[in-house]
Amino acid sequence: QQQVKQSPQSLIVQKGGISIINCAYENTAFDYFPWYQQFPGKGPALLIAIRPDVSEKKEGRFTISFNKSAKQFSLHIMDSQPGDSATYFCAASGGGGATNKLIFGTGTLLAVQP
Amino acid sequence: ETGVTQTPRHLVMGMTNKKSLKCEQHLGHNAMYWYKQSAKKPLELMFVYNFKEQTENNSVPSRFSPECPNSSHLFLHLHTLQPEDSALYLCASSQDTLGGGDTQYFGPGTRLTVL
Repeated sequence: QQQVKQSPQSLIVQKGGISIINCAYENTAFDYFPWYQQFPGKGPALLIAIRPDVSEKKEGRFTISFNKSAKQFSLHIMDSQPGDSATYFCAASGGGGATNKLIFGTGTLLAVQP
Repeated sequence: ETGVTQTPRHLVMGMTNKKSLKCEQHLGHNAMYWYKQSAKKPLELMFVYNFKEQTENNSVPSRFSPECPNSSHLFLHLHTLQPEDSALYLCASSQDTLGGGDTQYFGPGTRLTVL
């Protein structure tokens, strides 16, 4: 019940296209859903995050869509650029009294072709 | 990335060696974390410290021994490791652990290879 399932494992998108990465969770107590971006040789960095009181959050070309009833959330990257090529991790935390413990998905390796 | 630094960046050690990983955060945070990142696996939380006190040990084998002398420094002491311990070890920090949703800031990691 603590797992976060992420798909696809890898994704190839043409420059200018839309990249979509999906995550699903089981624990209904989760109340914070961040996405992290990791470039080779670097640690993960927070990209965008959402709480379940909204269904969508947009920051520039990055959008999180959240479906509470389906227990799913997804990352959309609009107008994908070669510089977006990285590994993306979804995560979840929360549960009343939880101590900021993040449960991560397995990651999606995104390659944006020029 | 300069907010959280890790040394060394790469480490190769034999199974009988003893070595230590170091993490330092310059963000004024009170919580620090150790994660293990293996290929095609989720990041695995190992240890959590909040205000220098260990608040979580995620069933980590005793060959990994953390130390947090103050809120800015975190060490991971390694001894008699196994080849399956080869991975990227990431340190992170956050303001504290008192409630969810606190952004964790990661260092670049130490790539560990156990021969």
